[in-house]
Amino acid sequence: DTGVSQDPRHKITKRGQNVTFRCDPISEHNRLYWYRQTLGQGPEFLTYFQNEAQLEKSRLLSDRFSAERPKGSFSTLEIQRTEQGDSAMYLCASSLGGGSTNEKLFFGSGTQLSVL
Amino acid sequence: AQSVTQLGSHVSVSEGALVLLRCNYSSSVPPYLFWYVQYPNQGLQLLLKYTTGATLVKGINGFEAEFKKSETSFHLTKPSAHMSDAAEYFCALMYSGGGADGLTFGKGTHLIIQP
Repeated sequence: DTGVSQDPRHKITKRGQNVTFRCDPISEHNRLYWYRQTLGQGPEFLTYFQNEAQLEKSRLLSDRFSAERPKGSFSTLEIQRTEQGDSAMYLCASSLGGGSTNEKLFFGSGTQLSVL
Repeated sequence: AQSVTQLGSHVSVSEGALVLLRCNYSSSVPPYLFWYVQYPNQGLQLLLKYTTGATLVKGINGFEAEFKKSETSFHLTKPSAHMSDAAEYFCALMYSGGGADGLTFGKGTHLIIQP
């Protein structure tokens, strides 16, 4: 499978615990995006990377959220001290980037987080 | 600021009938426009996109959309609905510079196909 891969598919945690999600993008894609999707809403942009550089992070929901892409390949999204309001689907997407007319995001199947 | 509005959170059509899902956008610069489909427990799949050129865009599974700048619309249509079209559909836009915000999505329209 050469698509965007996310792990785990589902995560159940207790309030106050830390969680980390992983995203493996399509191998030749240099841009990687994280989105959050809550029930009945469209995906909401959180942050994105160009290679290993995090170029936009002001839309992360709070300082409890952080993301890394240390070697410009896979990325992790961490939520510290989880709250029930963090329960959502976390989506990862990747693209070739560059702003050309071929710009197209490919999405993974997401990680469904439930905070009890 | 850019935004996307999808009219109707739920649309129900009979199998074989015309599908029309409405999308209006607001953007200060010419946007790229997209329609994505999401089946249960799956990721978003690109149906079609408009960047430049021809304003009538054809996508996968028989869907097409027309970019109308004067109406700031990008409605999605399919002449004849099939049961397999039942899914959540999202309209989205991106700054034509490939902007740092990635995609801005509408809230989605749940398409129901009646047998």
